[in-house]
Amino acid sequence: GQQVMQIPQYQHVQEGEDFTTYCNSSTTLSNIQWYKQRPGGHPVFLIQLVKSGEVKKQKRLTFQFGEAKKNSSLHITATQTTDVGTYFCAPGSQGNLIFGKGTKLSVKP
Amino acid sequence: DGGITQSPKYLFRKEGQNVTLSCEQNLNHDAMYWYRQDPGQGLRLIYYSQIVNDFQKGDIAEGYSVSREKKESFPLTVTSAQKNPTAFYLCASSRDQSSYEQYFGPGTRLTVT
Repeated sequence: GQQVMQIPQYQHVQEGEDFTTYCNSSTTLSNIQWYKQRPGGHPVFLIQLVKSGEVKKQKRLTFQFGEAKKNSSLHITATQTTDVGTYFCAPGSQGNLIFGKGTKLSVKP
Repeated sequence: DGGITQSPKYLFRKEGQNVTLSCEQNLNHDAMYWYRQDPGQGLRLIYYSQIVNDFQKGDIAEGYSVSREKKESFPLTVTSAQKNPTAFYLCASSRDQSSYEQYFGPGTRLTVT
């Protein structure tokens, strides 16, 4: 079945540094969603990307969908302690989401 | 205050017992989902329901059962047949199954000993 690989699995950054997580698929995706899960919390929807080469921004977060629609990335500029958590990419297929294993971000103040 | 509620937050059971996890939503969403999350892992789909009185198996349905008798409710039963039931269980809903924007409940952490 469809699977996505997220890298890195863990990322430790100093507050103020940038952070990027990547999501790669061996097959072409129709869409991709990004979710954030705070420690001890539940996933929260961040964004949906559907177009080839699409770039969307939410304040310090920039989301990209690759030209071939096989990869996606989330970039956070100047991380803050509130960015701590696990970021999941999740392509949608036939009405269901397929979650990657996530990238766990920790931020040192 | 709209949202999804799951209860209880923590649940402890002895091996061999069935246990039912509650999930209620007041978002008027048609679709509901159950996921399982193990430490350091992503979410795996157990069951989903597109509409009342209908549900489908997900990727890891063995040892679980569900019902969808009301639009607002989608309880999950973890049966004694589930070999590794200890996990974090998350319920979610979406407007309908064409929407990939899912809203999650706070989760139930089940420990079976």
